[in-house]
Amino acid sequence: SYVLTQPPSVSVAPGQTARITCGGNNIGSKSVHWYQQKPGQAPVLVVYDDSDRPSGIPERFSGSNSGNTATLTISRVEAGDEADYYCQVWDSSSDPWVFGGGTKLTVL
Amino acid sequence: EVQLVESGGGLVQPGGSLRLSCAASGFTFSSYWMHWVRQAPGKGLVWVSRINSDGSSTSYADSVKGRFTISRDNAKNTLYLQMNSLRAEDTAVYYCARTTVIPWSDAFDIWGQGTMVTVSS
Repeated sequence: SYVLTQPPSVSVAPGQTARITCGGNNIGSKSVHWYQQKPGQAPVLVVYDDSDRPSGIPERFSGSNSGNTATLTISRVEAGDEADYYCQVWDSSSDPWVFGGGTKLTVL
Repeated sequence: EVQLVESGGGLVQPGGSLRLSCAASGFTFSSYWMHWVRQAPGKGLVWVSRINSDGSSTSYADSVKGRFTISRDNAKNTLYLQMNSLRAEDTAVYYCARTTVIPWSDAFDIWGQGTMVTVSS
């Protein structure tokens, strides 16, 4: 089955830029989606199809995808961005909807 | 308002059964594929099962195949997950979520708030 690899944690100071990576074999050929999950809450889609944002998601959230790595970039990080972030793709394997292990974003 | 509301979670003994429900509102339920995704305590998200728009096609994660059954009632705008032969490792928050058919997307754009299932003696 397809595997997505994320760093367990990323830390950033307020106002700086956070980059969260998602690694997978030739992930650049797939559409990557990103979710934000705050403690005790359901996940929220923040980026879909590599770089598109759902309505209501701030422009500070952006995404890119090439080669073996997809990246979620959060600009001008705020305290309210502190959360777990998950990448996700669809793969033609036995368990087709695949999530990364998640990255905890800490705002210092 | 587009909304998904899960119910039916609780404490069940190993080997027992439970049926989860997910009530949809604010959108045309019969036009969307629906899914169950679970999250064990302190762990990440794991896809469990999906059903197509009219209920004619389903698929399951290997970990639940043969034990769980997904179904839907489009007249009642409700999604179900029948869970049999439950194991301790099935303990998790279970979320229902939707994906869009037209245009096609495999992103989960709407999630419910989740319902907790605990399998323990």
